[in-house]
Amino acid sequence: SYELTQPPSVSVSPGQTARITCSGDALPKQYAFWYQQKPGQAPVLMIYKDSERPSGIPERFSGSSSGTTVTLTISGVQAEDEADYYCQSADSSGTYRLFGGGTKLTVL
Amino acid sequence: EVQLVESGGGLVKPGGSLRLSCAASGFTFSSYSMNWVRQAPGKGLEWVSSISSSSNYIYYADSMKGRFTISRDNAKNSLYLQMNSLRAEDTAVYYCARLDGVWGYFDLWGRGTLVTVSS
Repeated sequence: SYELTQPPSVSVSPGQTARITCSGDALPKQYAFWYQQKPGQAPVLMIYKDSERPSGIPERFSGSSSGTTVTLTISGVQAEDEADYYCQSADSSGTYRLFGGGTKLTVL
Repeated sequence: EVQLVESGGGLVKPGGSLRLSCAASGFTFSSYSMNWVRQAPGKGLEWVSSISSSSNYIYYADSMKGRFTISRDNAKNSLYLQMNSLRAEDTAVYYCARLDGVWGYFDLWGRGTLVTVSS
């Protein structure tokens, strides 16, 4: 079955740049989306259509795509960015939704 | 206010059944595809099922096929998930989520309802 693969964890110091990758064979055909989830809360959309930022999301969050990998970049990481981040996309037919396994971002 | 509110979670024995509900308000429910997404304790998000705006198209994740049934009542602005033959591994917070109609992301989430399967 189709999967999206993320690193389990990423650690950065405040002010540095964090990059979280998500790999999947269908990503060249299907858009990817990124969500932030803090403990006890529902996910919040951070990036849509690979690189678009919804209104209200800080400019330090950006997304990019290259082949079968999409990347969420957080520039100038702040303590409040510590959270779990999930990529989401669809299978090649666009029928089934799926999430990556999630990446825990730790701000040192 | 635009919101989704889940209900119906609780403790159920293995092999038992449970029906979750999601009440939508503040938007035209009948215009959107709706989904269930779950999250086991300490684990990641897992898409469960989707239903199109008119219930014409219904899809399930492989591990839920044959045990779970998604449905909706547009007159009542409500989404449902009937869960049968429950297993310990179905223990999770179940979120109701609205699917954006254009690009395929979840643009509105409920706060979730906890389902615990245990003897």
